[in-house]
Amino acid sequence: AQRVTQPEKLLSVFKGAPVELKCNYSYSGSPELFWYVQYSRQRLQLLLRHISRESIKGFTADLNKGETSFHLKKPFAQEEDSAMYYCALSDSNYGGSQGNLIFGKGTKLSVKP
Amino acid sequence: KAGVTQTPRYLIKTRGQQVTLSCSPISGHRSVSWYQQTPGQGLQFLFEYFSETQRNKGNFPGRFSGRQFSNSRSEMNVSTLELGDSALYLCASSDQWGYGYTFGSGTRLTVV
Repeated sequence: AQRVTQPEKLLSVFKGAPVELKCNYSYSGSPELFWYVQYSRQRLQLLLRHISRESIKGFTADLNKGETSFHLKKPFAQEEDSAMYYCALSDSNYGGSQGNLIFGKGTKLSVKP
Repeated sequence: KAGVTQTPRYLIKTRGQQVTLSCSPISGHRSVSWYQQTPGQGLQFLFEYFSETQRNKGNFPGRFSGRQFSNSRSEMNVSTLELGDSALYLCASSDQWGYGYTFGSGTRLTVV
């Protein structure tokens, strides 16, 4: 069954410390992986898409097909990074479009001063 | 450009009633997806529409239905409401290439 697991409900770090938000997935095909972020009182927004291989707000994520993981990393956390982070997977068999995202339960990142 | 707009923002309904939620996607976006968000189950996919056709459906009972109009606006309907349908319902839109989905602020439905 398709599944996304985020093992940590809450991750608390100090400002300037490295951050790694874990995401593991279970999928039989060729998945597309995403990270979405929700800041307090704001809507869910796309942070990263694995296929883009880009860095947004200092965050990066590498798809490891061997370990079926897509962990989100940032070398130096900032207080404004405090938010809810969701890892998501989609079916890439729609000729490029992915409308059926499967989300993890999310990890709340708290960056302390 | 305007984002994804969902109306209404809040709804209170009684068990047994039905409800219709509306979503206006970003201009030019033809794909609209719906999600239910609850504290217990998290974000769960309901269905996706593309060019007025339902392209995929999640694991929800038939009481949950949707449609998409020629202008890409979408509605979802829940009939015979149950207390467990209380949730935040999110709509997301994308262009045909699915270059990441843009979410709306959601409609908070409370069933009493």
